[in-house]
Amino acid sequence: EAGVTQFPSHSVIEKGQTVTLRCDPISGHDNLYWYRRVMGKEIKFLLHFVKESKQDESGMPNNRFLAERTGGTYSTLKVQPAELEDSGVYFCASSPTGQGWGNTIYFGEGSWLTVV
Amino acid sequence: RKEVEQDPGPFNVPEGATVAFNCTYSNSASQSFFWYRQDCRKEPKLLMSVYSSGNEDGRFTAQLNRASQYISLLIRDSKLSDSATYLCVVNYGTGGFKTIFGAGTRLFVKA
Repeated sequence: EAGVTQFPSHSVIEKGQTVTLRCDPISGHDNLYWYRRVMGKEIKFLLHFVKESKQDESGMPNNRFLAERTGGTYSTLKVQPAELEDSGVYFCASSPTGQGWGNTIYFGEGSWLTVV
Repeated sequence: RKEVEQDPGPFNVPEGATVAFNCTYSNSASQSFFWYRQDCRKEPKLLMSVYSSGNEDGRFTAQLNRASQYISLLIRDSKLSDSATYLCVVNYGTGGFKTIFGAGTRLFVKA
């Protein structure tokens, strides 16, 4: 069974440009999450989708970040315009349907973003 | 105060040693607890869930103390391959849920 896949694995962009990260969750997982780890800091929750609905987006840092999950399958996270402090690794994760807090979360390998 | 706090380490131990990691969390409404392992430049992977009764998986033992809001991980007979960062993870929320990560504890096991 395919795991959580993320694209691109690495991206280097200039400040002010736009980057779109994509995540394909494990097939059949309704819960999809985005997390971010910036240099030297802990992994931080960004948001949580249940199918196509945003269940919790309290971790999104500001309105330069836009996440979508049209059709409840894959998700995209767009950063526009990118700033230097957006550099870090963006993890996507998914978990099965059901009571969220008891479920194991499966992570993708991350998208490493460098803004120069 | 951070919601989940861990000693960042690093812990440097010889092969065969027993090592213990601690984690405290601040939200008394936390629902579930996990230890994840993260290798350098890799994604976190679930090591084990943590139950109130304590649980063991081979060389790994996890304990939860809800009254003290404290979680522990004990690794016995350390292997070189145990070298990694160990993340304490806490979930809470109603309806949906939120996952809070500790900053991780670095472990180096040396021959």
